Amino acid sequence: AQSVSQHNHHVILSEAASLELGCNYSYGGTVNLFWYVQYPGQHLQLLLKYFSGDPLVKGIKGFEAEFIKSKFSFNLRKPSVQWSDTAEYFCAVTPHGSSNTGKLIFGQGTTLQVKP
Amino acid sequence: GAVVSQHPSRVICKSGTSVKIECRSLDFQATTMFWYRQFPKQSLMLMATSNEGSKATYEQGVEKDKFLINHASLTLSTLTVTSAHPEDSSFYICSARLPGGDQPQHFGDGTRLSIL
Repeated sequence: AQSVSQHNHHVILSEAASLELGCNYSYGGTVNLFWYVQYPGQHLQLLLKYFSGDPLVKGIKGFEAEFIKSKFSFNLRKPSVQWSDTAEYFCAVTPHGSSNTGKLIFGQGTTLQVKP
Repeated sequence: GAVVSQHPSRVICKSGTSVKIECRSLDFQATTMFWYRQFPKQSLMLMATSNEGSKATYEQGVEKDKFLINHASLTLSTLTVTSAHPEDSSFYICSARLPGGDQPQHFGDGTRLSIL
């Protein structure tokens, strides 16, 4: 079965620290990849997405992610986090067989807590 | 742009009651909407994919007679939890998507359903 795994369930960082959140998926075919963020009390928002081309994608708020096909990974990074980055982060994939409907398979989420 | 409104945000009702949740795309037409369920500290689980003018596609294990989905227009999908019981208590989230293979999903704020 297709699945998405996020290795870090709860991450605590100090401001200005660097961030990397792991995401791996299990699917043998082509996928579209996403990172969503959910700030406290708000809805899910798209941080960035990968469909094709340059495997290093840049998103909003200084976030970036790198697709490594051989590792089935799509890790999220930010060089220097801020207190306002405190949120829940979700990795998600759409298998290409579902590209017409855009069906998303989510990871279990990572809670990021940034200490001021 | 791409705002999705979900209503109500919170519902508390007695066991046996049917509850309707609305999902509206406010500034775009969504041929496809999705309904998710999220348990505490867990990921979003896709319940069903709702296509305008046709029957919803339910994920394995989701009872279609329990969770009725209607997508009557390009801007509105509804989820009705019929004869709700305490085990149906959860956080329900909808999303909407523009047509096309490269369109991301846009999420509503979610509905917290509590069945007493």
